[in-house]
Amino acid sequence: NAGVTQTPKFQVLKTGQSMTLQCAQDMNHEYMSWYRQDPGMGLRLIHYSVGAGITDQGEVPNGYNVSRSTTEDFPLRLLSAAPSQTSVYFCASRRTSGGAGTDTQYFGPGTRLTVL
Amino acid sequence: GQQVMQIPQYQHVQEGEDFTTYCNSSTTLSNIQWYKQRPGGHPVFLIQLVKSGEVKKQKRLTFQFGEAKKNSSLHITATQTTDVGTYFCAGPRAGNNRKLIWGLGTSLAVNP
Repeated sequence: NAGVTQTPKFQVLKTGQSMTLQCAQDMNHEYMSWYRQDPGMGLRLIHYSVGAGITDQGEVPNGYNVSRSTTEDFPLRLLSAAPSQTSVYFCASRRTSGGAGTDTQYFGPGTRLTVL
Repeated sequence: GQQVMQIPQYQHVQEGEDFTTYCNSSTTLSNIQWYKQRPGGHPVFLIQLVKSGEVKKQKRLTFQFGEAKKNSSLHITATQTTDVGTYFCAGPRAGNNRKLIWGLGTSLAVNP
């Protein structure tokens, strides 16, 4: 199993550009999520999904869209990039969609995004 | 709102010294998880604690969950350079337990 994969690893955007961060998992996990990690801010949940076709907002959803058309993929879209979205983005998945902490959460390697 | 606080924020130790990080929640948690993130890496799950007063050990790492299920600690005995990284605790958010709320982490540096 490859686990959780993310592409690209690094990206530089100009303000106003759009892009999609890709995330895929091959463990047949129900639950997938996106976090951003900023210095001094820890990990903050952007969006999450409890299964194909079902998504919900996390703590910091503004400026980001998600969709989940398959169990495996959970892309994160930046509609109009802003410098405040410069961050490291992590995708994560876990087996069940029940309460957090019921099973192990696996993280992808991250995408380091800079918005100029 | 609900908060999870970790102290200390940073810790430098000499190799062989012990290290402890503390996690305190403003609300009772149904469970708590601990993760380690190496510099430049991604968070990696270490352990989950569920029961009040639970203590679990993984080699030199000892994890405790408080009796009131509002605090937790991670203790490393005789640190090694491989222990370098940031240690995070996380627990389910009150009102929507599908979300995890994270502490800000404790960064550990080990001098050889």
